[in-house]
Amino acid sequence: DVQLLESGGGLVQPGGSLRLSCAASGFTFSSHAMGWVRQAPGKGLEWVSALSGSGGFTYYTDSVRGRFTISRDTSTDTLYLQMNNLRAEDTAIYYCTKLGYGVNYPSDHWGQGTLVTVSS
Amino acid sequence: EIVMTQSPATLSVSPGETATLSCRASESVSSYYIAWYQQKPGQAPRLLMYDASTRATDIPGRFSGSGSGTEFTLTISSLQSEDFAVYYCQHYKNWPPAFGQGTRVEI
Repeated sequence: DVQLLESGGGLVQPGGSLRLSCAASGFTFSSHAMGWVRQAPGKGLEWVSALSGSGGFTYYTDSVRGRFTISRDTSTDTLYLQMNNLRAEDTAIYYCTKLGYGVNYPSDHWGQGTLVTVSS
Repeated sequence: EIVMTQSPATLSVSPGETATLSCRASESVSSYYIAWYQQKPGQAPRLLMYDASTRATDIPGRFSGSGSGTEFTLTISSLQSEDFAVYYCQHYKNWPPAFGQGTRVEI
């Protein structure tokens, strides 16, 4: 069975940094695009970032470009999201998602999410 | 950037009835790049439909999807108690693969 297990969320002050991790299992990690979707409290879903199956292409929503970096370690089947210069509006549950073989596929599996709270 | 708009925001139905949810794209996404997700309180979203009309694994037959171009529909027949949730449409034609704002299906 596919499993995605996020970690690394928490409370951080504005301007601070966090690194989210997503441990994947149950599928060929290096063959699939992966991504992060967030959901602010009481709000809808928003794509944050994605990484192509080859690992050669990265995608970011405009509001995080230049502050967030997506990466992966295929030796440990782990997806990361390095978040720098955090803002209050980045407060959300961050979900790790598995896509198909590229970013033009739906998210067929989701992790349980990790909460990031940016507040002083 | 393609914008997805869902209607209505809230749909009040009774168990056993049929719910029809609408989703409109700001430009054509053909009939292949539309997904629907279900989200229950405190849970992660779950993929229901992809390619507009294909049910995901283990999704019951009372869920059906249709549409093409810019207009899409999710139909839930014979609503069960476990179907009361928020439903999101999403296009995945290109980046960013935007979601609609959601439709809450409630009793």
